[in-house]
Amino acid sequence: HVQLQQSGPGLVKPSQTLSLTCALSGDSVSSNSGAWNWIRQSPSRGLEWLGRTYLRSTWYHDYALSVKSRITINADTSKNQFSLQLNSVTPEDTAVYYCARDTWARFDYWGQGALVTVSS
Amino acid sequence: EVVLTQSPGTLSLSPGERATLSCRASESVRSSYLAWYQQKPGQAPRLLIYATSSRATGIPDRFSGSGSGADFTLTISRLEPEDFAVYYCQQHDYPSFTFGPGTKVDIK
Repeated sequence: HVQLQQSGPGLVKPSQTLSLTCALSGDSVSSNSGAWNWIRQSPSRGLEWLGRTYLRSTWYHDYALSVKSRITINADTSKNQFSLQLNSVTPEDTAVYYCARDTWARFDYWGQGALVTVSS
Repeated sequence: EVVLTQSPGTLSLSPGERATLSCRASESVRSSYLAWYQQKPGQAPRLLIYATSSRATGIPDRFSGSGSGADFTLTISRLEPEDFAVYYCQQHDYPSFTFGPGTKVDIK
């Protein structure tokens, strides 16, 4: 059974970097069939896909245009986890952040979600 | 980027009734890349339907999906009390994913 467990701070100051980690069990971040995503949800923006990383003989990264200049998603195979870094945050980045696995473009397993508030 | 529009915004129905939810895309979507999710308060979305009409593991057969091109539908044949929730459609147009704004199904 696949499980994704998120961790990270719930409060980030404006202009700083938001960092979250998603630990996997029941699957491998090095899987050749899964991809590892970050999605956020806020009342103003709804569900917004941020980006993903996946291994297909080499590592690939896809990012949403809205955050492409500020985002990094990386996998740590030694810990079987992946991470999100979002730089230069503003209050508009306040949201519930989810990690999720996608296989064939559908999100079949999700983390529990974490509210991240951007405020001084 | 493909924009998804869902209607209605809210659907007020009674248990046992049929629910029909619409998802319309700004351009044609590959049917294999159209999915539906259910979300309840305080929970992550749950995959219901993928590839337009395939039910995810453990999803009861009262949930069904259909459609093609830019028009897709989620049908709940007979609403159970646990089905009152928000429903989202989602599509993939490489490399991007987008979600619709959701339809809330509430108790009449």
